[in-house]
Amino acid sequence: KAGVTQTPRYLIKTRGQQVTLSCSPISGHRSVSWYQQTPGQGLQFLFEYFSETQRNKGNFPGRFSGRQFSNSRSEMNVSTLELGDSALYLCASSGTGAADTQYFGPGTRLTVL
Amino acid sequence: QKEVEQDPGPLSVPEGAIVSLNCTYSNSAFQYFMWYRQYSRKGPELLMYTYSSGNKEDGRFTAQVDKSSKYISLFIRDSQPSDSATYLCAMSEGAQKLVFGQGTRLTINP
Repeated sequence: KAGVTQTPRYLIKTRGQQVTLSCSPISGHRSVSWYQQTPGQGLQFLFEYFSETQRNKGNFPGRFSGRQFSNSRSEMNVSTLELGDSALYLCASSGTGAADTQYFGPGTRLTVL
Repeated sequence: QKEVEQDPGPLSVPEGAIVSLNCTYSNSAFQYFMWYRQYSRKGPELLMYTYSSGNKEDGRFTAQVDKSSKYISLFIRDSQPSDSATYLCAMSEGAQKLVFGQGTRLTINP
């Protein structure tokens, strides 16, 4: 079974621009979560989508948004990019059970200049 | 103070040694506990998953959870150079919305 895939793998943007990242979950998984990883703050939860609805949200500003499509694929968008948004953005998928664990993709490394 | 505390290391041990990694946490509502391994420029890979307190063993890896002390551990026996990576503890109230430790960078020297 194929793992979680994320595109693009690397991205360079300038301040003020916006960016869209994509995530395809493991086949059959309906929950998709997004995390931001930086050297200073570590891995932090952004939000989780299940059946096209945001089910959980972390403590990030409204510039960070996401959505999920009917095939469970998900996108996250960051508007008005800031230098501090430079990070590895990780997507994780899991099944429908409350105890289902999350499996991570390789991430998208975003650099904001 | 962070909800999950993990010593970032770095930790360097000789091949074959027993490695002990641990995390402490403050949220008593956490009931799902995980250890992930992350190689450089890769996504985290799930190593161990434990629900509530107790021990779990998988090959050379043993995970322990002590909810009364709010303390979790990961032991690696017969460590190999291929175990060199960053180890992240993670926990949650439900299985989603994981809260991670800072990660411990581990190097196994041949």
